[in-house]
Formats: sequence, C-alpha cells, structure tokens
Amino acid sequence: EAAVTQSPRSKVAVTGGKVTLSCHQTNNHDYMYWYRQDTGHGLRLIHYSYVADSTEKGDIPDGYKASRPSQENFSLILELASLSQTAVYFCASSLRENSDYTFGSGTRLLVI
Amino acid sequence: GEQVEQRPPHLSVREGDSAVIICTYTDPNSYYFFWYKQEPGAGLQLLMKVFSSTEINEGQGFTVLLNKKDKQLSLNLTAAHPGDSAVYFCAVSEPGTGSNRLTFGKGTKFSLIP
Repeated sequence: EAAVTQSPRSKVAVTGGKVTLSCHQTNNHDYMYWYRQDTGHGLRLIHYSYVADSTEKGDIPDGYKASRPSQENFSLILELASLSQTAVYFCASSLRENSDYTFGSGTRLLVI
Repeated sequence: GEQVEQRPPHLSVREGDSAVIICTYTDPNSYYFFWYKQEPGAGLQLLMKVFSSTEINEGQGFTVLLNKKDKQLSLNLTAAHPGDSAVYFCAVSEPGTGSNRLTFGKGTKFSLIP
C-alpha cells in the first residue's frame, strides 16, 4: 500500500542542537511537502519539492532547511533548534498539480 | 496569495444531530477544494476532493457544498456518531502555481456531547 512514513515519531531536542526529520514515500509521487502544525495556526508550509535534488521555500522557511536526495526521500533539517520550533511536523506527497495529498503520521518535536 | 478562513474552531453536538463547518476563501480562480479529517495522534486523511464544476458532493455520512458566488465551502455532517470526533480541515489549491500548494484552514475540533 502506498504510504508516507515519517521518522522519528517523536523527539526531544536541546536548544541549539541539530535536528533532522525524515520522510519516505512509496507513492511514486513527484511532489513532497513539509508542514508544521501548531494549535491555532492550522498547517503552515515550510518547504516543498517538485523533483529530486530541488527544494523550494514555503511560507515559513526561516530556521529550516530541506533536502530531497531522491524521489522517495525528503528531509527537514533544523540546524539550530529553538524553543519556537516545538510543534508537530507533517510530511506529505502528491502526484501532480491539483491532486490531493497523502500525509504521514507526523513527528512531534519538543525543543527544551 | 490565497487565504482561507474556517469556522467554527470548536463544535460539539449530540449523537444523531447534524453539524456544519464553513470555509471562506479569497481567490475566485481557485477550483480544487479538499476536506481532511485528523483523528488524535494521526495524520490527515482525505475525506473528499471537490471540483469547482460540482456544487454538491455526497459522501458517507456527510455532504460538501460549494458556493462559488460567495466563495464558501461547507462540510455538513449528518447524524453525527462517535467515529466523527476529530479535527476537520478544509484546503484550497492555489491556482496556477504549478506547485500544488494547498492553503489550509485552521481546523475545527469536532466532538460529541456525552
């Protein structure tokens, strides 16, 4: 079954440390996305990618980097984690423009 | 860019009652719309994808209405049951960007009154 798998499911990170969130999809989709979810804000787009080896900035990219080494894998990197980056992060993939997303189960990140 | 307002943020009804969640969007050129359901601790699951050419779409236990004139999308839950308890999100596809970016509403937390 096609799926989007995120790892880890949850993580506690120290302020100033580096955090890498990973996403793997078996949908054969070209588009991949990273969103963060905060209470009262819904989902906000951080980075996305059309194709391997290329990433684009979303609406809130500051403090985040993204990497798309292959069609299947898309990582979100926090080089210097901050308290304000505590949130739930969702990865998603989609086949083409105007198609729906398939979401992963999310990564709950707590920065202390 | 597109902006989406979703209301209400919280909604509680008794089992068997109906409920309505409304999203208002700004870009009149938008033509793909989505409703997602998020159960506790899980990712978002697609409830329905709506095309602008169809105003009424029926699913299992719910109806989605699209009012293009008022730029409103609504999710009508009929005869609520415990399995409906979740957070619901609407999303609107940003037209012409080539990125398939979706703009999400802030969500509605739906629950049953015991």
